[in-house]
Amino acid sequence: KAGVTQTPRYLIKTRGQQVTLSCSPISGHRSVSWYQQTPGQGLQFLFEYFSETQRNKGNFPGRFSGRQFSNSRSEMNVSTLELGDSALYLCASSLSRSGYTFGSGTRLTVV
Amino acid sequence: DQQVKQNSPSLSVQEGRISILNCDYTNSMFDYFLWYKKYPAEGPTFLISISSIKDKNEDGRFTVFLNKSAKHLSLHIVPSQPGDSAVYFCAASGASYDKVIFGPGTSLSVIP
Repeated sequence: KAGVTQTPRYLIKTRGQQVTLSCSPISGHRSVSWYQQTPGQGLQFLFEYFSETQRNKGNFPGRFSGRQFSNSRSEMNVSTLELGDSALYLCASSLSRSGYTFGSGTRLTVV
Repeated sequence: DQQVKQNSPSLSVQEGRISILNCDYTNSMFDYFLWYKKYPAEGPTFLISISSIKDKNEDGRFTVFLNKSAKHLSLHIVPSQPGDSAVYFCAASGASYDKVIFGPGTSLSVIP
């Protein structure tokens, strides 16, 4: 079966712009979680969506937002980009907490 | 406040020897623990997990040990192989619908 698909793979944006990243989960998975990976910080939890509702939220500013559609596809949006937002953004889908499957990520560079 | 800690950023081990990766957690509500492996330019992949009702779980060359009183878990890889060279993330979660919290990772190098 197809894995978790994240688009785009790479993105370069300018400070102050906004960006939208997309994640298509494994078919049948209703939970989608987003993480930010930066060197030395590991994977920082952003938020989790389940059946179009945000079920959990991490400690990120309101510039980071997300949503989930009825087909379980999810998007995350970052507004007013800062240099520190440069990171690998990973999406994971699951049926349960034991079954996280990650996508390959979107590498965002803010210049 | 990092709830899941991996205090060794990196580890080098000779091929064929044992690799031991350590992880500590602070939240006593965590009851499910996982290890993920990540290669460059790829997303993390699930390796092994353990529930708090157990103190050991084994899967082939990989064994995870949990010491609840010390809030400590470790991943043992025996024997280590060059293909095991990757970043290993420890993760934990509480109740069934709780978010999964990851540690900062340990970069393992297995030297041929």
